Amino acid sequence: DSGVTQTPKHLITATGQRVTLRCSPRSGDLSVYWYQQSLDQGLQFLIQYYNGEERAKGNILERFSAQQFPDLHSELNLSSLELGDSALYFCASSPRELTDTQYFGPGTRLTVL
Amino acid sequence: LAKTTQPISMDSYEGQEVNITCSHNNIATNDYITWYQQFPSQGPRFIIQGYKTKVTNEVASLFIPADRKSSTLSLPRVSLSDTAVYYCLVGDPGNTGFQKLVFGTGTRLLVSP
Repeated sequence: DSGVTQTPKHLITATGQRVTLRCSPRSGDLSVYWYQQSLDQGLQFLIQYYNGEERAKGNILERFSAQQFPDLHSELNLSSLELGDSALYFCASSPRELTDTQYFGPGTRLTVL
Repeated sequence: LAKTTQPISMDSYEGQEVNITCSHNNIATNDYITWYQQFPSQGPRFIIQGYKTKVTNEVASLFIPADRKSSTLSLPRVSLSDTAVYYCLVGDPGNTGFQKLVFGTGTRLLVSP
């Protein structure tokens, strides 16, 4: 158990819908990262927050957005969902910045029908 | 955009040493190289991290040449439970001013009796 929690574990929805994925980092960690893992794209970095501020950005689609709240939990919002958005979404946390070891959560499996 | 590449798969037998190499051009001066292990339907788990030369911990060693454009994860005396996918992770300076985190393509290691 990494100490990072993600909810929900599974999510099935339809195209065009909007969903919110939630992540609670390990106690004391200030950085939260979001990743997408699909069969054809592998592990893709989406975005990182540090103490509430956006600090690094990967190839995150404009339909996706995220935020980190004052209590340090984070949410990833996915809108206008497409079939290709079906994937495992992982959250990770670390004490500080990008070079820190990251601890990954169990992931949220999103299925878009 | 930096490209990080690894062999797609490797096969080994129990008790053998396994070396997995990751090639990463355009690595940033201040970036570290981190390796993760991932089992099916689980989040990646930290193995080892280094900046240059050699790092060793209780489970693996990491070799990084002077130019830092590649790294090699060494697993001594593998067991059946080491069957997993192994990823390297480095930073990517990119063009936006934000650093991006780029996972390698992943190496699927199969350990047989």
